[in-house]
Amino acid sequence: DIQMTQSPFSLSAVVGDRVTITCRASQSISTYLNWYQQKPGKAPNLLIYAASRLQSGVPSRFSGSGSGTDFTLTINSLRPEDFATYYCQQSYSFPWTFGQGTKVEIK
Amino acid sequence: QITLKESGPTLVKPTQTLTLTCTFSGFSLGTSGVGVGWIRQPPGKALEWLALIYWDGDKRYSPSLKSRLTITPDTSKKQVVLSMTNMDPVDTATYYCAHRGEDSYYSAEYFQNWGQGTLVTVSA
Repeated sequence: DIQMTQSPFSLSAVVGDRVTITCRASQSISTYLNWYQQKPGKAPNLLIYAASRLQSGVPSRFSGSGSGTDFTLTINSLRPEDFATYYCQQSYSFPWTFGQGTKVEIK
Repeated sequence: QITLKESGPTLVKPTQTLTLTCTFSGFSLGTSGVGVGWIRQPPGKALEWLALIYWDGDKRYSPSLKSRLTITPDTSKKQVVLSMTNMDPVDTATYYCAHRGEDSYYSAEYFQNWGQGTLVTVSA
């Protein structure tokens, strides 16, 4: 199985901050990497697919980059509604695997 | 508009078989490129992919759970059923079904639309 490791586990930020979350794969996955946002008690919501493609309807302050084993999700100018947990997920090979999540909290 | 909704028991006893139904609208499992997956999330923990069924009948399972899982389509009813045998308290989780989306230009697959999830508790 491909292991997905996110860092940090959690972070504290204020509205307006630029936030960066990292996801590392245990082997190369090209750009078969997706990012989801999950708010408490809700289902995950797709933000980014193919490492850098913004899902329709997702604000442009979200961006993704990377290929191979190292990937980044960046949130520019953090808004109150962005406080949530973020997960990366690889679809390079089965079993599809998720990272352990990064919780973005209010400082 | 694509919607999915999970249904099934909220409480099962250890060793019992769990049967969950995903009822969807806005797409057909008979359409090329379509897929429906199941993902679970224990309370306070991360997401775990369980299974995926494609429009052509191809089925994929998590290797660690493969012996316990069965994913079955009912195209006419627009449902996908997930069965999990020999339930244990560690299987307590919110179970989600999701619509597999794709961007063929990038050969990308992802879970584009999710159900609201259903919490299943395993306890005697």
